[in-house]
Amino acid sequence: QKEVEQNSGPLSVPEGAIASLNCTYSDRGSQSFFWYRQYSGKSPELIMSIYSNGDKEDGRFTAQLNKASQYVSLLIRDSQPSDSATYLCAVATGNQFYFGTGTSLTVIP
Amino acid sequence: EPEVTQTPSHQVTQMGQEVILRCVPISNHLYFYWYRQILGQKVEFLVSFYNNEISEKSEIFDDQFSVERPDGSNFTLKIRSTKLEDSAMYFCASRPGYSSNQPQHFGDGTRLSIL
Repeated sequence: QKEVEQNSGPLSVPEGAIASLNCTYSDRGSQSFFWYRQYSGKSPELIMSIYSNGDKEDGRFTAQLNKASQYVSLLIRDSQPSDSATYLCAVATGNQFYFGTGTSLTVIP
Repeated sequence: EPEVTQTPSHQVTQMGQEVILRCVPISNHLYFYWYRQILGQKVEFLVSFYNNEISEKSEIFDDQFSVERPDGSNFTLKIRSTKLEDSAMYFCASRPGYSSNQPQHFGDGTRLSIL
C-alpha cells in the first residue's frame, strides 16, 4: 500500500516566522509531488509542485524534495495569519495521486 | 481562469436512496477524478477516469459507486443505496494530460449528508 505520511499537528508559529511542513512517502516510483492548502470546509488549492531533487521557490514558499530519503517539505517564510490552514502533501505515480492526512497550521498574530 | 464546477453544493438524502453528484471538468482536461473527504479526515481517492472509461479505482469504489461522462462535458458520480457513512465532502478534480507532472485542479465539492 502506498502511504503518504504527515505530522497532523497542530503546528503553531508566530506571525513573521518560518513554518516548516514535512511529508514522507513510501513508493520509490513516485514521480511528482504537490502541496495543497485547504481551508476549513473548502477544496484543496494547489500551492507548489516539485519533480526534481532540490529546492523550488515561489514567493514565500519553498518546496524541498529528497527522493533518496523519500521526503518532501514545504517552508513558508514570513508566515501570515492568512496562511492558517491545513496543508496537504500529494504524491503522484502515473495517474494515481495519494494524499497525506494534512498538517494543520496556525499562524498567531 | 477555468474552473472545475460541482453541483449541487449540498445534497441531503435519505438513507437507501440514490444520489448523483455532478461535475464539469475544465474543458481541455483529459483526466478526471473523484475524491471523498469524511469530516476531519484525509482526502481519499475514489476513482480516475480517462478516455471514457475508469482508469483506476480504490477499494472504497465498490459496486455501490459508478461514474459516467454522459455528454462530453459532465462527469457524474452515482452512489446507490446510500448509507450513513457515505456522508462526506465529495471533490471532483481534473488535469490536462497523462504526465504526472500536471497537478489536479479541484472543484469546490459537494457536501453529501445522509439522514
